[in-house]
Amino acid sequence: QSVLTQPPSVSAAPGQKVTISCSGSNSNIGNDYVSWYQHLPGTAPKLLIYDNNKRPSGIPDRFSGSKSGTSATLGITGLQTGDEADYYCGTWDSSLSVGVFGGGTKLTVL
Amino acid sequence: QAQLVESGGGVVQPGRSLRLSCAASGFTFRNYGMHWVRQAPGKGLEWVAVIWFDGSKEYYADSVKGRFTISRDNSQNTMSLQMNSLRAEDTAVYYCARFDANQWDPWGQGTLVTVSP
Repeated sequence: QSVLTQPPSVSAAPGQKVTISCSGSNSNIGNDYVSWYQHLPGTAPKLLIYDNNKRPSGIPDRFSGSKSGTSATLGITGLQTGDEADYYCGTWDSSLSVGVFGGGTKLTVL
Repeated sequence: QAQLVESGGGVVQPGRSLRLSCAASGFTFRNYGMHWVRQAPGKGLEWVAVIWFDGSKEYYADSVKGRFTISRDNSQNTMSLQMNSLRAEDTAVYYCARFDANQWDPWGQGTLVTVSP
């Protein structure tokens, strides 16, 4: 059971938009920045969003992030088949001094 | 360009030990906290441990506390994870990751640890 809660799967057609939610508590998301990662099996997880809503250089603006209270959301617009992957939210729980991740959401682009 | 490379994975019997290493390059290693994160087969990412930039503090997930020890050598730009009393549930791909302010970036490619009789 992961500390942060994500839907197990989401799906949408190419070109459409999808959102992935991440729910936590006051000790983690409510008190710290959230980051999002894209993970393909056998590869290194890739940072997509940091500090709740910022994109590293090289990440297209089709990817966006937001946070409100103890929840965060990853948005992906203009879906492409290459976006099919597992997506994870994560944060550093400064009150417990532990890292926490969501259980992951598998994105299928139909 | 920051890069991390893990090594040391393999097949080990329950109760035995294994030591993983993470070699860093392309950035000033001594300035960053470093983490281990694992992914068991069919499961999500699970945070394992962190060591402060100067090695002054270490924190562990409850699932590995008392069995795993994280360490680093800033003169060699390396980090290690000593895993003792291994259990079947420790079977996973282990990733090392740099903690940059508030996020894990970059990550290594991972090293597979299989605990099996």
